[in-house]
Amino acid sequence: AQSVTQLDSQVPVFEEAPVELRCNYSSSVSVYLFWYVQYPNQGLQLLLKYLSGSTLVESINGFEAEFNKSQTSFHLRKPSVHISDTAEYFCAVIPVSYNTDKLIFGTGTRLQVFP
Amino acid sequence: EAQVTQNPRYLITVTGKKLTVTCSQNMNHEYMSWYRQDPGLGLRQIYYSMNVEVTDKGDVPEGYKVSRKEKRNFPLILESPSPNQTSLYFCASSSTGKSYTEAFFGQGTRLTVV
Repeated sequence: AQSVTQLDSQVPVFEEAPVELRCNYSSSVSVYLFWYVQYPNQGLQLLLKYLSGSTLVESINGFEAEFNKSQTSFHLRKPSVHISDTAEYFCAVIPVSYNTDKLIFGTGTRLQVFP
Repeated sequence: EAQVTQNPRYLITVTGKKLTVTCSQNMNHEYMSWYRQDPGLGLRQIYYSMNVEVTDKGDVPEGYKVSRKEKRNFPLILESPSPNQTSLYFCASSSTGKSYTEAFFGQGTRLTVV
């Protein structure tokens, strides 16, 4: 079975500061990895994903995540956050070899950016 | 525009009164699923469908039903809602197997059962 752990339920940070949201997973098979973002009163939007290839993936709004297979991690980073980044962030995995698209989510990290 | 559409966005109902939340996607995706989101628990899968007329239970199926008569639609049915089904619900769709890229989510349905 697979599981996803997001170690921080809340991360408060000041505007223009760097941030890291941590994500670790457990799986006996290879996985695809995702970060989804949920802005207040909205649905989930894909932020970035790792399916194969380069282990460093980037989003259009400055976030990046690096797949570390040995540490089974997929931490999300941004060097300088904005007020508009305030949202809940979910890490998720899909086992590659299973015939399913079931996303297994972590419990989420609420990023609060203060001016 | 590629999208998953859920209705209604908000719903307040009484215990035991049957309700249906609709979900429709315009991307010709085979795989569709329902999740519920609860504070501190993240999102948990309720039911999923691999294709038309093929549905199966997810992690928390009790008290829910689904159907998949057409590829684009995947309604969630609560035959006799109870207060513990008060939650935020999301429908999602994706292509399967080697063509998988990402899951697309609806805007969510906030259900309150009193």
